[in-house]
Amino acid sequence: DAKTTQPTSMDCAEGRAANLPCNHSTISGNEYVYWYRQIHSQGPQYIIHGLKNNETNEMASLIITEDRKSSTLILPHATLRDTAVYYCIVRVPMNYGGSQGNLIFGKGTKLSVKP
Amino acid sequence: GAVVSQHPSRVICKSGTSVKIECRSLDFQATTMFWYRQFPKQSLMLMATSNEGSKATYEQGVEKDKFLINHASLTLSTLTVTSAHPEDSSFYICSCGGPGFWQFFGPGTRLTVL
Repeated sequence: DAKTTQPTSMDCAEGRAANLPCNHSTISGNEYVYWYRQIHSQGPQYIIHGLKNNETNEMASLIITEDRKSSTLILPHATLRDTAVYYCIVRVPMNYGGSQGNLIFGKGTKLSVKP
Repeated sequence: GAVVSQHPSRVICKSGTSVKIECRSLDFQATTMFWYRQFPKQSLMLMATSNEGSKATYEQGVEKDKFLINHASLTLSTLTVTSAHPEDSSFYICSCGGPGFWQFFGPGTRLTVL
């Protein structure tokens, strides 16, 4: 599985956009980029995923560079409830080529949204 | 998104006892379930992968006789920590892989072994 590199921590002012970067320079052609977050003492929560096109949903936007070696998760208007550890994971999806689809978590980025 | 539940959410037990944790997918059939554990200030570590009706696949370093996994139906998997010791105290999290490209995680079970 391709490895990812994320900053250890970031701060963001409430109401501003939070831009969380992720490097995945060894990503292969069939690997997707997934983003999850974990609020303290809870299970991880799915945010968004993408292959090569930019994606947007009600929670966030995902911008993937053209060479797919890096991506940015954007929370457009961060709130205090967005304070969490954000994980960027690169993985072949479940059942693709026999993949079991288990997610390998790195250390993630601890995002602190401040009032 | 899909709903995954875990029971209990928190358990405290004495050293040497066994503890069973249930993971249920409430609104979809999960052919594959994953069990993770997370020690304080660390990331999630995959323990095992279970497929409905077959034996679980354990990650290197995880004792299969200590962490018994049963995935008897498409909506239920159980993790039993046998003869628990204080070093087994951790946050145990299950996830369910349904159709699609993502997994849904349970809320976690906090195990404290005295």
